[in-house]
Amino acid sequence: DIQMTQSPSSLSASIGDRVTITCQASQDISTYLNWYQQKPGKAPKLLIYDASNLETGVPSRISGSGSGTEFTLTINSLQAEDFATYYCQQFDNLLTFGGGTKVEIK
Amino acid sequence: QVQLQESGPGLVKPSETLSLTCVVSNSSISSGHYWGWIRQPPGEGLEWIASIYYSESNFHNPSLTSRITMSVNPSKNQFSLNLSSVTAADTAVYYCARHKDGGLFGFDFWGQGTFVTVSS
Repeated sequence: DIQMTQSPSSLSASIGDRVTITCQASQDISTYLNWYQQKPGKAPKLLIYDASNLETGVPSRISGSGSGTEFTLTINSLQAEDFATYYCQQFDNLLTFGGGTKVEIK
Repeated sequence: QVQLQESGPGLVKPSETLSLTCVVSNSSISSGHYWGWIRQPPGEGLEWIASIYYSESNFHNPSLTSRITMSVNPSKNQFSLNLSSVTAADTAVYYCARHKDGGLFGFDFWGQGTFVTVSS
């Protein structure tokens, strides 16, 4: 099984900050990685697919990068609507989600 | 806009079978996408359960596979999940979702989720 480890598990940030979330895979998954955003009481929303491709309708201040075992989600100029929990998910071998990163208001 | 709607019992007794159905609108279940189930225990993260194709080819989370049965009903444009021998650890919000494109890729459309409690 492929394990996905996200860090940090939570962070506090202010409006306008740049935020970086890391996801590490237990083995090489090439770019078979997606990122989701989830707000309380809502279903997750796909943000980034294949490690770096922006899903339709997602603002360009959000970006993804990485390959192999190390991946990053970056949010430039954090906005109020970005406070949420973020999950990575690999699909190289079946599917596994990371543990999540909660982005809170400082 | 693709829409998915889960339906289920809300409350299931321990050792019984949890049965959930997902009705799909504005997208044919035979359109070449995989369809999946994901769950989220209260206050915890996401866990993929299983995914199915309209041909009934399906893939399961190895930690749950012995308890999973999935099916597709193209005439009703819906798919279903049965999870047997449930325990309190199966208490969660259960989501159905559509895989993007034609494989086990990201989930691009999700249902709103249905909360299932396992309790006597």
